Amino acid sequence: DAGITQSPRHKVTETGTPVTLRCHQTENHRYMYWYRQDPGHGLRLIHYSYGVKDTDKGEVSDGYSVSRSKTEDFLLTLESATSSQTSVYFCAILGQGADTQYFGPGTRLTVL
Amino acid sequence: GENVEQHPSTLSVQEGDSAVIKCTYSDSASNYFPWYKQELGKGPQLIIDIRSNVGEKKDQRIAVTLNKTAKHFSLHITETQPEDSAVYFCAASTGGFKTIFGAGTRLFVKA
Repeated sequence: DAGITQSPRHKVTETGTPVTLRCHQTENHRYMYWYRQDPGHGLRLIHYSYGVKDTDKGEVSDGYSVSRSKTEDFLLTLESATSSQTSVYFCAILGQGADTQYFGPGTRLTVL
Repeated sequence: GENVEQHPSTLSVQEGDSAVIKCTYSDSASNYFPWYKQELGKGPQLIIDIRSNVGEKKDQRIAVTLNKTAKHFSLHITETQPEDSAVYFCAASTGGFKTIFGAGTRLFVKA
């Protein structure tokens, strides 16, 4: 698992509430990513980080923000959760070879 | 925008038969093509990859082929086993920083 953990693993929340998902890595990787996975869409990039406090948007960033104050932690925040954000969220890191991404175990989020 | 198309979306084979999954990509700058296997409740796991300077790569029962001219690449699994049942994703990358994933293929191997 490339030393990646995600928390929580499952969460149920209500529309309009803020939600923060955490990705933690133990191997000092510079690049980290947040994806969402939905049936028929594969993995779509939400945001990524290329270093502490350095982040940028992916293809589906609306409604999401991220922060990276330490190399090992990359946080994804839904400021005001909507039902369309019900999904499985995966964190990934870019391996030392600088071409392969390795994924965490995922967080299943349900917004009621 | 850039995209990766993956076919079929669902594939059912008999144990022992071969399975083939095909992908096409649009970004001619893509030079790295990983394949991932995702089992139920887990994150995608890298199973094999190929770079643009190689036409074919094999690892035991799994092989990947790449046709850069046609911009397509394929995953071949021979002598399929029930534990091969999973969702498989192809991806195309211009360097790991930017990776585009296919929509996935759900493979069922019937015993």
